[in-house]
Amino acid sequence: GENVEQHPSTLSVQEGDSAVIKCTYSDSASNYFPWYKQELGKRPQLIIDIRSNVGEKKDQRIAVTLNKTAKHFSLHITETQPEDSAVYFCAATSYDKVIFGPGTSLSVIP
Amino acid sequence: DARVTQTPRDKVTEMGQEVTMRCQPILGHNTVFWYRQTMMQGLELLAYFRNRAPLDDSGMPKDRFSAEMPDATLATLKIQPSEPRDSAVYFCASASSVEQFFGPGTRLTVL
Repeated sequence: GENVEQHPSTLSVQEGDSAVIKCTYSDSASNYFPWYKQELGKRPQLIIDIRSNVGEKKDQRIAVTLNKTAKHFSLHITETQPEDSAVYFCAATSYDKVIFGPGTSLSVIP
Repeated sequence: DARVTQTPRDKVTEMGQEVTMRCQPILGHNTVFWYRQTMMQGLELLAYFRNRAPLDDSGMPKDRFSAEMPDATLATLKIQPSEPRDSAVYFCASASSVEQFFGPGTRLTVL
């Protein structure tokens, strides 16, 4: 069946450095790719998304890139801050069905 | 600020008992999703509805789980009988387009 892989599973960076999380998907019909941030004990919250007709999208310190040919998409966080520490999930959406990646636990060390 | 609500927030029960979790989607959202989150399996889609009709429940163990939408303001997920392996956080999410908004989750512990 369809799946989404996500790497790395854990990531530690120094405050101010950049963090990159990469995902691959298998369903070529996927056309919407959201990223969610989940803080400990909280609900997942959408932080950025990208549609299949766009290669890159940026929102302040967060950017997402998409390579539809290779079925890869990535999240880039620049100038990381301690409050960026959380679990990040990528997802690939085909019609209504959303398949989540397994998550990346990001720790930003002050 | 409209939000998805879920009750109860925490539930501890004994194996074999029935568990009912409730979700109130954001008013006007016509698609409702149920997810289960565990450390081992991450976020798994159990079932989802559009305009109250079930579209996909292939992720749900049919023998013990059931999901319904009695009306547009209420979605329910039932487990009967519950088992220790059902212990997880169950999230409901609603959407009017592709963006999903998650509820706070129900943390279920089955002893």
